[in-house]
Amino acid sequence: GESVGLHLPTLSVQEGDNSIINCAYSNSASDYFIWYKQESGKGPQFIIDIRSNMDKRQGQRVTVLLNKTVKHLSLQIAATQPGDSAVYFCAETSNTGNQFYFGTGTSLTVIP
Amino acid sequence: NAGVMQNPRHLVRRRGQEARLRCSPVKGHSHVYWYRQLPEEGLKFMVYLQKENIIDESGMPKERFSAEFPKEGPSILRIQQVVRGDSAAYFCASSPSGTYGYTFGSGTRLTVV
Repeated sequence: GESVGLHLPTLSVQEGDNSIINCAYSNSASDYFIWYKQESGKGPQFIIDIRSNMDKRQGQRVTVLLNKTVKHLSLQIAATQPGDSAVYFCAETSNTGNQFYFGTGTSLTVIP
Repeated sequence: NAGVMQNPRHLVRRRGQEARLRCSPVKGHSHVYWYRQLPEEGLKFMVYLQKENIIDESGMPKERFSAEFPKEGPSILRIQQVVRGDSAAYFCASSPSGTYGYTFGSGTRLTVV
């Protein structure tokens, strides 16, 4: 399944399928990006990060892709599991920045 | 290693009362950030502090809100004369250096009745 951030804030996928969550960022000066997972009633949990000198980074079951030309970030989750159900946020900042700018989030629901 | 500790987890205040939210950063972290999250929205930056100094308060409302991070003890976010619009989840994050190595707490959910 695939989402397009603000236009499709919810995403439902079957357990075992791959998920793609997209995020468009606005600041061309941003050079550090993080994907966070937030479960209901909890704080944001770090998933994976990427710096602007890279266009792809892989973790365990997750991959982040960065396209600086169109200011687009995506999170791919392989073999999605029920425990992956949560809201996913992308966040951006710059080396000189004091804060992260968060997107509005995409709610992922995994159907067993 | 304890993470970022926030308390209370839930706080209910009547309109006009004061709310005090506490945040103890990860041990060894000297940078503290406060964010606010309204229902079904992303987190919005409020303030960035280091020990005894406010570094960036560009996200703080001009009135009723204040923050401190004393030499000893937790960081405090204080909201005076709360209004219903202050109802939100308030998250604290800490880092050892700038925006790298950010860790968030579990938040304080403030309800103004």
